[in-house]
Amino acid sequence: GQQLNQSPQSMFIQEGEDVSMNCTSSSIFNTWLWYKQDPGEGPVLLIALYKAGELTSNGRLTAQFGITRKDSFLNISASIPSDVGIYFCAGMNYGGSQGNLIFGKGTKLSVKP
Amino acid sequence: NAGVTQTPKFQVLKTGQSMTLQCAQDMNHNSMYWYRQDPGMGLRLIYYSASEGTTDKGEVPNGYNVSRLNKREFSLRLESAAPSQTSVYFCASSARGGDGYTFGSGTRLTVV
Repeated sequence: GQQLNQSPQSMFIQEGEDVSMNCTSSSIFNTWLWYKQDPGEGPVLLIALYKAGELTSNGRLTAQFGITRKDSFLNISASIPSDVGIYFCAGMNYGGSQGNLIFGKGTKLSVKP
Repeated sequence: NAGVTQTPKFQVLKTGQSMTLQCAQDMNHNSMYWYRQDPGMGLRLIYYSASEGTTDKGEVPNGYNVSRLNKREFSLRLESAAPSQTSVYFCASSARGGDGYTFGSGTRLTVV
């Protein structure tokens, strides 16, 4: 089946630093999503991308839908302690009324105050 | 604004026991999903229901059954629990294909 390669697996950064993570696929998606999971909670949607080349921001977060449709990137600027968590990319191809998300294995972010 | 509600939050089972994980959403979403999350494996789809009255297998359906009871509720049943089913289970819903999913807060299941 389809697989997503998400990197890095983990990051340890200083508060105030910028963060970059990415996700690549062996096949094309027509939707890319980025989620964040806090400890003990379910994933929460951060950004959704629907068009190749699209660049979308949500506060300090910026995500891009790769032009090849096989990759996506998430950047976090000026990190703060509450950015700690696991970030998941997810890709989807939907047709008709149904689309199933395929998830990457996550990037665990730790922020030192 | 409950969103997606899962019960129970924690459960310990003995090998061979059965149980049903409950999920309900109040957003009038058509599609519902069950995922399991294991360390280093990300989220893997067990079963999904595109609409009321339909269910389909996902990536890892073995050992599980599901019921879409009505538009709001989608349950996951383990008939004979095994230690390999120790995991965190998440239910999710979406309005339609192409929308992001809304997740519940999970059920942490341990099978001993």
